[in-house]
Amino acid sequence: EAGVTQSPTHLIKTRGQQVTLRCSPISGHTSVYWYQQALGLGLQFLLWYDEGEERNRGNFPPRFSGRQFPNYSSELNVNALELEDSALYLCASSLILSADTDTQYFGPGTRLTVL
Amino acid sequence: EDQVTQSPEALRLQEGESSSLNCSYTVSGLRGLFWYRQDPGKGPEFLFTLYSAGEEKEKERLKATLTKKESFLHITAPKPEDSATYLCAVQPAFSGSARQLTFGSGTQLTVLP
Repeated sequence: EAGVTQSPTHLIKTRGQQVTLRCSPISGHTSVYWYQQALGLGLQFLLWYDEGEERNRGNFPPRFSGRQFPNYSSELNVNALELEDSALYLCASSLILSADTDTQYFGPGTRLTVL
Repeated sequence: EDQVTQSPEALRLQEGESSSLNCSYTVSGLRGLFWYRQDPGKGPEFLFTLYSAGEEKEKERLKATLTKKESFLHITAPKPEDSATYLCAVQPAFSGSARQLTFGSGTQLTVLP
């Protein structure tokens, strides 16, 4: 069974530009989470989509946005890039069946470098 | 606010030298505690989910345990291929619809041959 896939693998942008990252969840999973892993800061929660809707967002500015498509794949958009946006962007997917916990499975990430 | 603290930050072991990694957490209610392994430049790989105090899970040389305030990842007779960063994360139980994970900063494990 294929895992979570992300594209592109690497990206180099300059300050002020815009970028779109893509994520395909594990087949059958309906929830997609986005996390940012900047050097020295650990994984920080960005956004959570489930069944096509944004369910929650972390403490990031509005220039971080995204969407989830009917096939449950997702995009993360970052506008007006800043140097501190340089990070590994990780997508995770899960299937929420009940009020119990759901395991999130991560993709390989997209390495974004802002110059 | 949920908090996860992992110790030590870094750990160097000789091959075969068993040890434990610690994860202390503060959360209003625990839906689940997760352990992941992350190799440099790659996404975290799921290892274990623990739900309630007293629970234990094992996988090869790894064993995870959970109390009401902390979790331990025991590594028995480690091999060089166990070298990685081990991440602990919690998912809250009483935060409305919130299901995102709060991660600790990780323990970087190096196993020397």
